[in-house]
Amino acid sequence: DAKTTQPNSMESNEEEPVHLPCNHSTISGTDYIHWYRQLPSQGPEYVIHGLTSNVNNRMASLAIAEDRKSSTLILHRATLRDAAVYYCILRDGNAGNMLTFGGGTRLMVKP
Amino acid sequence: GAVVSQHPSRVICKSGTSVKIECRSLDFQATTMFWYRQFPKQSLMLMATSNEGSKATYEQGVEKDKFLINHASLTLSTLTVTSAHPEDSSFYICSAVVGTSVFNEQFFGPGTRLTVL
Repeated sequence: DAKTTQPNSMESNEEEPVHLPCNHSTISGTDYIHWYRQLPSQGPEYVIHGLTSNVNNRMASLAIAEDRKSSTLILHRATLRDAAVYYCILRDGNAGNMLTFGGGTRLMVKP
Repeated sequence: GAVVSQHPSRVICKSGTSVKIECRSLDFQATTMFWYRQFPKQSLMLMATSNEGSKATYEQGVEKDKFLINHASLTLSTLTVTSAHPEDSSFYICSAVVGTSVFNEQFFGPGTRLTVL
């Protein structure tokens, strides 16, 4: 599986934007970039995914570098409820739906 | 989004006993379900992939005779931890996938915290 590298932790102030980086320099052409987040003592929840183009949804935006070797998850206005571990995951589009979780980034939001 | 439930949410058992954890897709039929394990301060580790009506596929290092998986219907998969020991204490999470297209979102359950005394 192609691997991702994320900072262990990040801090943000409430109501400010947050940019969570992810490096995936060994990404292949068929790999989709997925982001999930896990709130304390809960199962992960889907945030967003993309292949080549930037993506927006009600939760966040995903900015994908032109060479696809990195991506950034953008939370436009962080709230205290956004404090979670954010996982950047590469999924091979030819290999089904299996997800391999890495270490993730623990986001702390300060009031 | 679709809802996946797990039961029980937490369980405490004595060493040597068996524990069954249920994973249900509440408003959709799941062709595939996954079982993960998560130790404190660590990431999720995939244990096995379960397809309805067939035997589960276990990841390397996961004992299939210890972690019995049954996916008898499109809405229910069960994980039984047999002869549980304290080292099996962990947070067990299931997820369910619907459909067979290129991308099918995984919907995760809330997890089951198992403590073996």
